[in-house]
Amino acid sequence: QSALTQPASVSGSPGQSITISCTGTSSDVGGYDYVSWYQQHPGRPPKFLIYDVSTRPSGISSRFSGSKSGNTASLTISGLQAEDEADYYCSSQTSSNTVVFGGGTKLTVL
Amino acid sequence: QVQLVQSGPEVKKPGASLKVSCKTSGYSFTSYGISWVRQAPGQGLEWMGWISGFNGNTNYAQKFQGRVTMTTDTSTNTAYLELRSLRSGDTAVYYCAREEFSVGAMGYWGQGTRVTVFS
Repeated sequence: QSALTQPASVSGSPGQSITISCTGTSSDVGGYDYVSWYQQHPGRPPKFLIYDVSTRPSGISSRFSGSKSGNTASLTISGLQAEDEADYYCSSQTSSNTVVFGGGTKLTVL
Repeated sequence: QVQLVQSGPEVKKPGASLKVSCKTSGYSFTSYGISWVRQAPGQGLEWMGWISGFNGNTNYAQKFQGRVTMTTDTSTNTAYLELRSLRSGDTAVYYCAREEFSVGAMGYWGQGTRVTVFS
């Protein structure tokens, strides 16, 4: 199972919005509404941001939102803040009933 | 509060076996599954597999089939990851994570266990 495709890096200024894409196939992202997103700061475990494509767990800011179209899922962060600078990972269920992660995207807040 | 506390760092020689523990608290262990995820130095996250806290059913990534065993001990609310025939490419931080009521939705994570494999 190949990793989902994410851009290596994205950047934005404080207050702006950015979107991170996560592209798979009809055997993973396109075939299931089980896409999750995670934020990871250096030296820390990942933090759960989004599940089931667009659902935020309790306690997660509404600045984080998820969506999906075809084989591509997206994470949008609005009102960028300095503390949003981190690595972001998507994951999806696959047709083999396993989970595959994206390669990760480094977000830089300028 | 929900906590997952993992065992300490390990240094192993190639060919050896590894066993990492993940002691949970703050929730009903048998109501959730545990996923294991690893992250090699400077690399992304890699899903290794999942085990049910209810009945011990497992689902392993094909890459690790035959080399990995995940188990649970419901008397101590602890999950275990065993990885055999270690090689240098297994050097990574290994995480356990509680899977919420949705596939691949890992809501709570352990602190990670750093494993170094070298001769």
